[in-house]
Amino acid sequence: DIVLTQSPALAVSLGQRATISCKTNQNVDYYGNSYMHWYQQKPGQQPKLLIYLASNLASGIPARFSGRGSGTDFTLTIDPVEADDTATYYCQQSRNLRTFGGGTKLELK
Amino acid sequence: QIQLVQSGPELKKPGESVKISCKASGYTFTDYAMHWVKQAPGKGLKWMGWINTYTGKPTYADDFKGRFVFSLEASASTANLQISNLKNEDTATYFCAREDNRGVMDAWGQGASVTVSS
Repeated sequence: DIVLTQSPALAVSLGQRATISCKTNQNVDYYGNSYMHWYQQKPGQQPKLLIYLASNLASGIPARFSGRGSGTDFTLTIDPVEADDTATYYCQQSRNLRTFGGGTKLELK
Repeated sequence: QIQLVQSGPELKKPGESVKISCKASGYTFTDYAMHWVKQAPGKGLKWMGWINTYTGKPTYADDFKGRFVFSLEASASTANLQISNLKNEDTATYFCAREDNRGVMDAWGQGASVTVSS
């Protein structure tokens, strides 16, 4: 199984940059694509797709969100952070079956 | 617009069964796979498996083999999750999510809460 590891929490100030990491125990690249995706979940809501295939912004998502990485190391960046961004962020791989990271809770300082 | 609407909350006793539905609209149902994801209270997302909406073939994650069944009512654009012999640890919110051919879950249901308590 592919295991995804995220730090449990991150605190940043309004207007600053937040960088959330996701590391996998196996390569999730295949034929030029990185099968890594990012979701935002607020309390009581369903997850929402932010970034797909490592670096592509989903429809309707502000350009403050960006993703990068390949192989086994991926990051989601929010710059600048706004108050509405407080949420839990999950990475998810679709290279082999499906797994989610444990989630990173983003809080404001 | 694309919508996945799930059934309402359920309160069940241990040993009972529950069936959760996920009705899709706004797109061609059989063009996308349907995945199921569990979220226990205060915990993260856990992938349960998926069903091929064209063939009806289900695939289950290891932790969800045995008591869990994915099914379709394709004529009604609906995917179902049935859990039998419910246990306390099945208490959770269950999400359906459609997935495109790139492996991207781009639309999610609102979640269905299941509480198992004697």
